[in-house]
Amino acid sequence: DAGVIQSPRHEVTEMGQEVTLRCKPISGHNSLFWYRQTMMRGLELLIYFNNNVPIDDSGMPEDRFSAKMPNASFSTLKIQPSEPRDSAVYFCASSFESEAFFGQGTRLTVV
Amino acid sequence: TQLLEQSPQFLSIQEGENLTVYCNSSSVFSSLQWYRQEPGEGPVLLVTVVTGGEVKKLKRLTFQFGDARKDSSLHITAAQPGDTGLYLCAGETGTASKLTFGTGTRLQVTL
Repeated sequence: DAGVIQSPRHEVTEMGQEVTLRCKPISGHNSLFWYRQTMMRGLELLIYFNNNVPIDDSGMPEDRFSAKMPNASFSTLKIQPSEPRDSAVYFCASSFESEAFFGQGTRLTVV
Repeated sequence: TQLLEQSPQFLSIQEGENLTVYCNSSSVFSSLQWYRQEPGEGPVLLVTVVTGGEVKKLKRLTFQFGDARKDSSLHITAAQPGDTGLYLCAGETGTASKLTFGTGTRLQVTL
């Protein structure tokens, strides 16, 4: 298996633009997580899905953030409109029981 | 909110030295995991501890789960430059494998 695949690896966008981050989890995994990592706040859980259903989105910063998982092999995290404070590395991870496998992340820069 | 505090935040040591990283919380976790993250990559699982008081060894790394399952430690013997990275503990609540990550310890091992 190729592991968790995220795209794009890097994204630079202007403030106010819509940003969509994509994730393909490992086949057979039933949980999917979106994390955001910054130097100041570390690794923060934004939202997680179990069997494609959002279970806990309490970590989503505000209404500008939304996440979907239309099927077991694909998830998106959307920011609209983006702001400079959204700049961070966004990780997607998937798991079957407890071990989480992470993608390489998307480095988002909002200017 | 379940918080996992790690100490120290930063550690710079020379090759051959020993070190211990601590992960503390006021919450009880069903299991605790340790990850290592290298620049430009996502965290990679090192070990999972489940039982209070459990000790696991992975070559020069020794992991311990506190008796009350609220804290953990990672001890590295004779550190090597290859041990350099960000070490993260993560507690699992048992609810759909939700992981809460610690604040991280950034380790640098020099020759």
